[in-house]
Amino acid sequence: GENVEQHPSTLSVQEGDSAVIKCTYSDSASNYFPWYKQELGKRPQLIIDIRSNVGEKKDQRIAVTLNKTAKHFSLHITETQPEDSAVYFCAASTDSGYSTLTFGKGTMLLVSP
Amino acid sequence: DARVTQTPRDKVTEMGQEVTMRCQPILGHNTVFWYRQTMMQGLELLAYFRNRAPLDDSGMPKDRFSAEMPDATLATLKIQPSEPRDSAVYFCASGRTSGSDEQFFGPGTRLTVL
Repeated sequence: GENVEQHPSTLSVQEGDSAVIKCTYSDSASNYFPWYKQELGKRPQLIIDIRSNVGEKKDQRIAVTLNKTAKHFSLHITETQPEDSAVYFCAASTDSGYSTLTFGKGTMLLVSP
Repeated sequence: DARVTQTPRDKVTEMGQEVTMRCQPILGHNTVFWYRQTMMQGLELLAYFRNRAPLDDSGMPKDRFSAEMPDATLATLKIQPSEPRDSAVYFCASGRTSGSDEQFFGPGTRLTVL
């Protein structure tokens, strides 16, 4: 089955800096890669996703890049703010009705004012 | 703003007791997922239903866990008997079409087994 590795497990940055979280996956058939944000004590929520027919997707201060050859994808957050502090999860799945998401272990991002 | 709901939000129980967690998916969603979240293992998929039929429960300990969807508005996860190692946050999520689509998570049930 699919295996998703996520790094780093924790990341501390100063407000205004950029943050990058990286994930690798094992199943070359995977073609859907979402990122979820989970604030302390809250539910995970989708913040951005990418499908394998594109290499990059942006939404304001967040962007995701995908390298299918190397089987890795990354989340980039620019101009970080304290409210970006949360646990971020990457995930991967194939485009099949029977497929499910395999999540990485998560990255705790702490943005200091 | 439609949301997935879960009950109870918190549950403390003694080892050996039965625990039932309930989930109401978003109306119109046809996929339901149960996850267990712990610090060590992260988010683990326990069960996946599509159109109320179980498609994947390979992540669920079969001897003590069971998941059902009695109807389209209710999904249940039952643990019998519960053990201290079952202590975790259990999330239900629903989606519109398949596993490769956005999943909307419920608020979770924090289970503590003493």
